[in-house]
Amino acid sequence: EDQVTQSPEALRLQEGESSSLNCSYTVSGLRGLFWYRQDPGKGPEFLFTLYSAGEEKEKERLKATLTKKESFLHITAPKPEDSATYLCAFPRDDKIIFGKGTRLHILP
Amino acid sequence: DTGVSQNPRHKITKRGQNVTFRCDPISEHNRLYWYRQTLGQGPEFLTYFQNEAQLEKSRLLSDRFSAERPKGSFSTLEIQRTEQGDSAMYLCASSPTGSVVGAQFFGPGTRLTVL
Repeated sequence: EDQVTQSPEALRLQEGESSSLNCSYTVSGLRGLFWYRQDPGKGPEFLFTLYSAGEEKEKERLKATLTKKESFLHITAPKPEDSATYLCAFPRDDKIIFGKGTRLHILP
Repeated sequence: DTGVSQNPRHKITKRGQNVTFRCDPISEHNRLYWYRQTLGQGPEFLTYFQNEAQLEKSRLLSDRFSAERPKGSFSTLEIQRTEQGDSAMYLCASSPTGSVVGAQFFGPGTRLTVL
């Protein structure tokens, strides 16, 4: 069964402490891999789409990378406002299949 | 605000009652999606529309659930005879036809609590 698995489930970092979130995938015929950010009580906010191994995309303190088996969301020198759940997902037909997410908490 | 809007934001109901949620997509978007999200899980697909046509329904969408999108504009999701297991966040998203699938824009959600 096609799926994505995210790790860790939760991560607590000090402000400024860089780290990476992992999304491993088993998807036949991957047509793209997505990262979304979700704040508590809100809908997911689209961040990135990655299409092929070796691709990288950046937005502020976030950088997403893709290999043939996994994707990483690197966060550099995070700030408390980066605290959120980060969701990895892939398209199947015309819908999106989401992972369970990584809850990131940045301590001031 | 030109984003996706959902109403109500919160709904508390008693088991057995019917509830209806509304979603207003971004105006130029042809596709509209409904997802359900429970605590600690990612959103799960329920159904989607292209214009007024409902093109796919998940097996999660039991006979108690019905969705409509009259005139291809706003959409409603109705749950009949609610059960405690229906408690969740119901999310609506929209996208333009032909867009990258990932570029779905989500609303703030409606949180349903069934007592």
